[in-house]
This record gives sequence, C-alpha cells and structure tokens, in this order.
Amino acid sequence: DVKVTQSSRYLVKRTGEKVFLECVQDMDHENMFWYRQDPGLGLRLIYFSYDVKMKEKGDIPEGYSVSREKKERFSLILESASTNQTSMYLCASKPSDYEQYFGPGTRLTVT
Amino acid sequence: KNQVEQSPQSLIILEGKNCTLQCNYTVSPFSNLRWYKQDTGRGPVSLTIMTFSENTKSNGRYTATLDADTKQSSLHITASQLSDSASYICVVTLDSSASKIIFGSGTRLSIRP
Repeated sequence: DVKVTQSSRYLVKRTGEKVFLECVQDMDHENMFWYRQDPGLGLRLIYFSYDVKMKEKGDIPEGYSVSREKKERFSLILESASTNQTSMYLCASKPSDYEQYFGPGTRLTVT
Repeated sequence: KNQVEQSPQSLIILEGKNCTLQCNYTVSPFSNLRWYKQDTGRGPVSLTIMTFSENTKSNGRYTATLDADTKQSSLHITASQLSDSASYICVVTLDSSASKIIFGSGTRLSIRP
C-alpha cells in the first residue's frame, strides 16, 4: 500500500512563528504536492515538486516556501505564520500516471 | 475558466437509502476524472477514476458515471451505511502533467440511522 505520512496531525502556532510541515512518501513517487483545504473552497494547490530540488508554484504560493532535498520528503515552510494561514494542510504524492495519494492532513491553527 | 462544480453542497439521507452526487466540469483538455472520499479530519482517498473513453466505473457500492459530451459525472451510492458519512470530492485532471488538477469543493454526505 502507498503510504503518505505527515509530521503532525494538529499544530498550534503563534503569529510570526516559522512553521515546518513535513511530508514523507514511501513509494518513490516523482511528484509531490502541498494543498490547503478551507471550507467551501476545496483543495487549493500551494506548491508542487516533480523531482528532487525542483519546485513549482501552485495557485496560492504567497507566504509559503517548500523544500525537497530527498525524493521521499517534501517540506512546506511558513516563514512567518499569520492567522489567515489557519487551515487544513494536505500533502499528496503521485507517480508518473494519474493517481494521487494523500496524507492524513495537518490541522494548523495560528493564534 | 477551468472549474469543477459539485451539487448538492450537503445531503442527509437515512441509512440503507441510495443517493446520487453530481459533478459538472468546464475543463479542457480533459484527461481523467476521479471521485475521492474524505472522512472528517482525514486525507482524501480515491474511490474511482475514469478516462475520456470510460462512462462507468464501480467500486463496491459506489458507481461513478461520466458523460464526456455534457461534461457531467455522478457518483451513486447504493444501500448507504453510516460509514459513508464523509465529503465526496470530484477531481478533474486537465492533462497528464502534475499540476493541472482541478478540485471541486465537495459534497458533505451525512447518513442518519
């Protein structure tokens, strides 16, 4: 079975803190994604990576950065967390075909 | 504009009943359409995936249909169970590239005993 894990299920941070969300997949997938999910808005793509050290901006990259130093790990970084970044963050990975596999999600609250 | 719209936004049915969720898309070029189930506080899990040439796909009590001409898909759930309570998300991929994936906002389904 494909397994995508995320470092935390729940996270509470203060405004201005630097936040790291980590995602690990164990199936040697080339593509990895970070989304945020907010009520009524569906999933919105923040960043994706199609290879090690490669990254592409998604629809809403502002306020976020990413890192992919190893194929299995894709990190999302909030340089200075703000309250409008309170959300559910979902990581996904995808091999060269079209099936996307999601992690369990991280519920981030910024106070 | 590439969009995926789902209806209804929410639905409540009694256990054992059937229901149908709708997905309309204005996406081109179309590659494939997937239905995901997302339990509360969890990541989405794939139920079905259909390409342009497929018009129906089943996964147990879940049956998805696709009409590529009218750009509509439906997810039919038969003999609903309490565990079917979840959000159901329709996802359309524009092409095989990694980033061009459009998500619907989902239908929240609640099954009552």
